[in-house]
Amino acid sequence: EVQLLESGGGLVQPGGSLRLSCVASGFSFNDYAMSWVRQAPGKGLECVSTINNNGGTTYYTDSVKGRFTISRDNSKNTLYVQMNSLRVEDTAVYYCAKGSAATIAVAGKLFDYWGQGTLVTVSS
Amino acid sequence: DIVMTQSPDSLAVSLGERATINCKSSQSVLYSSNNKNCLAWYQQKPGQPPKLLFYWASTRESGVPDRFSGSGSGTDFTLTISSLRAEDVAVYYCQQYYSIATFGQGTRLEIK
Repeated sequence: EVQLLESGGGLVQPGGSLRLSCVASGFSFNDYAMSWVRQAPGKGLECVSTINNNGGTTYYTDSVKGRFTISRDNSKNTLYVQMNSLRVEDTAVYYCAKGSAATIAVAGKLFDYWGQGTLVTVSS
Repeated sequence: DIVMTQSPDSLAVSLGERATINCKSSQSVLYSSNNKNCLAWYQQKPGQPPKLLFYWASTRESGVPDRFSGSGSGTDFTLTISSLRAEDVAVYYCQQYYSIATFGQGTRLEIK
């Protein structure tokens, strides 16, 4: 059974930092691209960042470029995102999502499994 | 980025009746390598993460009831529930994965 377990969310002041983690199990982690998808309270879904299976290729949505860094440790079956210079508008539930292929092209962005999410609140 | 637009924003349907949700992309999402459309549908119930229902526009994910169907090509796509059940109340999202992944704004489905 595929499981994705996020952690690291919480309350942080504007300008602060957080590191989210996602521990994966039930599949061969190093064979698939992974993504962080966020959902602001009462809003829709936004793909924030994607990383290919070996960590060599990454994607960021424009609003987080230069502030967020996605990474993975295949030896630990874990996906990360380091979030710096956080803004109020980054407040959201952050989901870890498994892609359906190794690369970030096409099926790598087809999300077949999702974690339960971790809430990040940016507020003073 | 490809913009995905769903209609309607909300929908109320009687139990046992048909529900239809539309999704339009701002450009074609047809993948020439396999001649399939890079279009997925997700269902999100309150307090839960999204659940994949369809991919390649019309391929049903394992375990999804056959009262759900996906159709369409190019820029216009449809999710249909043939006979609505109470457990189908949710927000439904379309997503294209042809380029940078983008989602529709969601359609809230309720019981009339």
